[in-house]
Amino acid sequence: DVKVTQSSRYLVKRTGEKVFLECVQDMDHENMFWYRQDPGLGLRLIYFSYDVKMKEKGDIPEGYSVSREKKERFSLILESASTNQTSMYLCASRLQGLPNQPQHFGDGTRLSIL
Amino acid sequence: AQSVTQPDIHITVSEGASLELRCNYSYGATPYLFWYVQSPGQGLQLLLKYFSGDTLVQGIKGFEAEFKRSQSSFNLRKPSVHWSDAAEYFCAVGAGSGGGADGLTFGKGTHLIIQP
Repeated sequence: DVKVTQSSRYLVKRTGEKVFLECVQDMDHENMFWYRQDPGLGLRLIYFSYDVKMKEKGDIPEGYSVSREKKERFSLILESASTNQTSMYLCASRLQGLPNQPQHFGDGTRLSIL
Repeated sequence: AQSVTQPDIHITVSEGASLELRCNYSYGATPYLFWYVQSPGQGLQLLLKYFSGDTLVQGIKGFEAEFKRSQSSFNLRKPSVHWSDAAEYFCAVGAGSGGGADGLTFGKGTHLIIQP
Protein backbone atom coordinates (compact mmCIF):
# COMPACT_ATOMS: atom_id res chain seq x y z
CA ASP A 1 0.00 0.00 0.00
CA VAL A 2 1.04 3.57 -0.61
CA LYS A 3 2.84 5.22 2.29
CA VAL A 4 3.78 8.87 2.68
CA THR A 5 5.41 9.63 6.00
CA GLN A 6 5.90 13.06 7.48
CA SER A 7 8.52 13.06 10.19
CA SER A 8 6.57 15.08 12.78
CA ARG A 9 2.85 15.33 13.54
CA TYR A 10 3.31 18.40 15.74
CA LEU A 11 6.14 20.92 15.79
CA VAL A 12 6.67 24.10 17.78
CA LYS A 13 9.38 26.54 16.75
CA ARG A 14 10.33 30.13 17.45
CA THR A 15 10.29 33.13 15.16
CA GLY A 16 13.48 33.40 13.14
CA GLU A 17 14.43 29.74 13.42
CA LYS A 18 15.27 27.66 10.36
CA VAL A 19 12.72 24.85 10.20
CA PHE A 20 12.88 21.61 8.27
CA LEU A 21 9.81 19.51 7.47
CA GLU A 22 10.62 16.08 6.12
CA CYS A 23 8.56 13.82 3.90
CA VAL A 24 9.37 10.31 2.72
CA GLN A 25 7.46 8.11 0.30
CA ASP A 26 8.01 4.45 -0.38
CA MET A 27 6.32 4.10 -3.79
CA ASP A 28 9.17 5.24 -6.04
CA HIS A 29 7.02 8.18 -7.15
CA GLU A 30 8.62 10.84 -9.30
CA ASN A 31 6.36 13.72 -8.31
CA MET A 32 6.20 15.19 -4.82
CA PHE A 33 4.34 18.18 -3.42
CA TRP A 34 4.11 20.42 -0.38
CA TYR A 35 0.83 22.11 0.52
CA ARG A 36 -0.26 24.21 3.43
CA GLN A 37 -3.78 23.99 4.77
CA ASP A 38 -5.49 26.86 6.57
CA PRO A 39 -9.12 27.10 7.75
CA GLY A 40 -11.33 28.61 5.09
CA LEU A 41 -8.55 28.57 2.50
CA GLY A 42 -8.31 24.88 1.68
CA LEU A 43 -4.99 23.51 0.46
CA ARG A 44 -2.52 25.73 -1.34
CA LEU A 45 0.49 24.48 -3.23
CA ILE A 46 3.84 25.73 -1.96
CA TYR A 47 6.36 23.81 -4.07
CA PHE A 48 6.48 20.68 -6.15
CA SER A 49 9.14 18.47 -7.64
CA TYR A 50 9.03 16.55 -10.89
CA ASP A 51 11.98 14.38 -9.98
CA VAL A 52 15.25 14.30 -8.06
CA LYS A 53 16.94 17.72 -7.84
CA MET A 54 14.06 19.31 -9.74
CA LYS A 55 11.74 21.81 -8.11
CA GLU A 56 9.12 24.30 -9.15
CA LYS A 57 7.32 27.05 -7.30
CA GLY A 58 3.67 26.59 -6.56
CA ASP A 59 1.13 29.25 -5.72
CA ILE A 60 2.60 30.49 -2.43
CA PRO A 61 6.39 29.87 -2.38
CA GLU A 62 7.41 33.04 -0.55
CA GLY A 63 9.31 32.31 2.65
CA TYR A 64 9.88 28.65 1.74
CA SER A 65 12.43 26.56 -0.09
CA VAL A 66 12.66 22.83 -0.82
CA SER A 67 15.24 20.15 -1.30
CA ARG A 68 15.03 16.84 -3.16
CA GLU A 69 18.35 15.06 -3.12
CA LYS A 70 16.85 11.56 -3.21
CA LYS A 71 13.78 10.34 -4.99
CA GLU A 72 11.98 9.22 -1.86
CA ARG A 73 12.56 12.37 0.23
CA PHE A 74 11.22 15.89 -0.21
CA SER A 75 12.05 18.49 2.41
CA LEU A 76 10.34 21.82 3.02
CA ILE A 77 12.50 24.53 4.56
CA LEU A 78 11.37 27.66 6.33
CA GLU A 79 14.49 29.81 6.10
CA SER A 80 13.44 32.19 8.90
CA ALA A 81 10.17 31.14 10.44
CA SER A 82 7.47 33.73 11.02
CA THR A 83 4.18 33.56 12.89
CA ASN A 84 2.18 33.69 9.66
CA GLN A 85 3.69 30.34 8.74
CA THR A 86 1.80 28.66 11.56
CA SER A 87 -0.28 26.10 9.67
CA MET A 88 -0.90 22.47 8.79
CA TYR A 89 1.58 21.25 6.18
CA LEU A 90 0.74 18.31 3.95
CA CYS A 91 3.11 16.37 1.75
CA ALA A 92 1.94 14.29 -1.21
CA SER A 93 3.47 12.10 -3.86
CA ARG A 94 2.28 10.90 -7.23
CA LEU A 95 3.35 8.54 -9.96
CA GLN A 96 4.47 10.38 -13.06
CA GLY A 97 2.33 9.75 -16.11
CA LEU A 98 -1.28 10.39 -16.91
CA PRO A 99 -2.85 13.39 -15.15
CA ASN A 100 -5.47 11.17 -13.54
CA GLN A 101 -2.90 9.53 -11.31
CA PRO A 102 -3.98 10.57 -7.81
CA GLN A 103 -1.82 12.20 -5.21
CA HIS A 104 -1.19 10.27 -2.01
CA PHE A 105 -0.99 12.33 1.16
CA GLY A 106 0.81 12.05 4.46
CA ASP A 107 -0.95 12.72 7.76
CA GLY A 108 0.34 16.27 7.97
CA THR A 109 2.56 18.30 10.26
CA ARG A 110 0.91 20.90 12.43
CA LEU A 111 3.51 23.63 12.81
CA SER A 112 3.25 26.42 15.38
CA ILE A 113 5.62 29.38 15.23
CA LEU A 114 5.80 31.32 18.49
CA ALA B 1 -5.75 29.00 -14.54
CA GLN B 2 -8.08 26.44 -13.10
CA SER B 3 -10.23 27.02 -10.03
CA VAL B 4 -12.61 25.03 -7.84
CA THR B 5 -15.62 26.27 -5.91
CA GLN B 6 -17.31 24.39 -3.12
CA PRO B 7 -20.29 26.60 -2.33
CA ASP B 8 -21.15 25.00 1.02
CA ILE B 9 -18.75 25.58 3.89
CA HIS B 10 -20.79 23.44 6.29
CA ILE B 11 -23.49 20.86 5.70
CA THR B 12 -25.49 19.05 8.38
CA VAL B 13 -27.20 15.78 7.52
CA SER B 14 -29.06 13.27 9.64
CA GLU B 15 -27.62 9.79 9.87
CA GLY B 16 -29.22 7.59 7.22
CA ALA B 17 -30.19 10.51 5.01
CA SER B 18 -28.81 11.11 1.53
CA LEU B 19 -25.96 13.50 0.86
CA GLU B 20 -24.87 15.71 -2.00
CA LEU B 21 -21.79 17.93 -1.84
CA ARG B 22 -21.41 20.46 -4.60
CA CYS B 23 -18.31 21.22 -6.61
CA ASN B 24 -17.92 23.57 -9.57
CA TYR B 25 -14.71 23.92 -11.51
CA SER B 26 -13.28 26.31 -14.01
CA TYR B 27 -10.87 24.95 -16.56
CA GLY B 28 -10.56 25.42 -20.29
CA ALA B 29 -9.80 21.88 -21.35
CA THR B 30 -10.90 18.49 -20.11
CA PRO B 31 -10.38 18.49 -16.38
CA TYR B 32 -9.14 15.71 -14.19
CA LEU B 33 -11.35 15.78 -11.11
CA PHE B 34 -10.90 14.30 -7.67
CA TRP B 35 -12.73 14.10 -4.36
CA TYR B 36 -10.72 13.68 -1.18
CA VAL B 37 -11.87 13.23 2.42
CA GLN B 38 -10.00 14.35 5.51
CA SER B 39 -10.87 13.00 8.94
CA PRO B 40 -9.84 15.11 11.94
CA GLY B 41 -6.08 15.15 12.44
CA GLN B 42 -5.46 13.06 9.33
CA GLY B 43 -4.17 13.55 5.83
CA LEU B 44 -6.32 13.38 2.73
CA GLN B 45 -7.72 10.12 1.41
CA LEU B 46 -8.83 9.74 -2.19
CA LEU B 47 -12.54 8.92 -2.54
CA LEU B 48 -12.81 8.86 -6.33
CA LYS B 49 -11.58 10.44 -9.53
CA TYR B 50 -12.80 11.30 -13.00
CA PHE B 51 -10.61 11.23 -16.04
CA SER B 52 -12.78 10.30 -19.00
CA GLY B 53 -15.50 7.89 -20.03
CA ASP B 54 -18.55 7.19 -17.91
CA THR B 55 -19.59 10.43 -16.23
CA LEU B 56 -20.86 8.63 -13.13
CA VAL B 57 -17.93 7.33 -11.12
CA GLN B 58 -17.97 5.08 -8.12
CA GLY B 59 -15.60 5.48 -5.23
CA ILE B 60 -14.79 4.00 -1.88
CA LYS B 61 -17.06 4.04 1.19
CA GLY B 62 -20.22 4.04 -0.95
CA PHE B 63 -19.60 7.44 -2.55
CA GLU B 64 -20.24 8.35 -6.16
CA ALA B 65 -19.85 11.52 -8.22
CA GLU B 66 -21.27 12.72 -11.49
CA PHE B 67 -19.37 14.82 -13.99
CA LYS B 68 -21.57 17.31 -15.85
CA ARG B 69 -19.60 19.22 -18.44
CA SER B 70 -22.50 21.57 -19.29
CA GLN B 71 -22.69 22.69 -15.67
CA SER B 72 -18.95 22.48 -14.93
CA SER B 73 -19.85 20.41 -11.90
CA PHE B 74 -18.61 17.29 -10.18
CA ASN B 75 -20.97 16.72 -7.26
CA LEU B 76 -20.37 14.02 -4.68
CA ARG B 77 -23.26 11.87 -3.48
CA LYS B 78 -24.00 9.13 -1.02
CA PRO B 79 -27.44 7.53 -0.62
CA SER B 80 -27.25 6.98 3.14
CA VAL B 81 -24.66 8.59 5.40
CA HIS B 82 -23.11 7.06 8.49
CA TRP B 83 -21.78 8.88 11.54
CA SER B 84 -18.25 7.93 10.43
CA ASP B 85 -18.70 10.08 7.30
CA ALA B 86 -18.33 13.23 9.38
CA ALA B 87 -15.22 14.87 7.95
CA GLU B 88 -13.91 17.59 5.65
CA TYR B 89 -14.40 16.97 1.94
CA PHE B 90 -12.28 18.51 -0.78
CA CYS B 91 -12.88 18.69 -4.49
CA ALA B 92 -9.79 19.15 -6.65
CA VAL B 93 -8.95 19.64 -10.31
CA GLY B 94 -5.75 18.70 -12.08
CA ALA B 95 -4.49 20.25 -15.26
CA GLY B 96 -3.76 18.19 -18.32
CA SER B 97 -0.56 20.03 -19.11
CA GLY B 98 2.52 18.86 -17.23
CA GLY B 99 1.04 15.41 -16.91
CA GLY B 100 -0.47 16.39 -13.59
CA ALA B 101 2.95 16.82 -12.06
CA ASP B 102 2.29 20.46 -11.34
CA GLY B 103 -0.12 19.90 -8.49
CA LEU B 104 -3.83 20.06 -7.87
CA THR B 105 -6.07 23.04 -7.31
CA PHE B 106 -8.33 22.44 -4.34
CA GLY B 107 -11.63 23.90 -3.28
CA LYS B 108 -11.84 25.34 0.20
CA GLY B 109 -13.62 22.28 1.52
CA THR B 110 -17.03 21.36 2.90
CA HIS B 111 -17.33 20.36 6.54
CA LEU B 112 -19.88 17.56 6.93
CA ILE B 113 -21.69 17.19 10.23
CA ILE B 114 -23.80 14.12 10.91
CA GLN B 115 -26.74 14.43 13.28
CA PRO B 116 -27.81 11.31 15.17
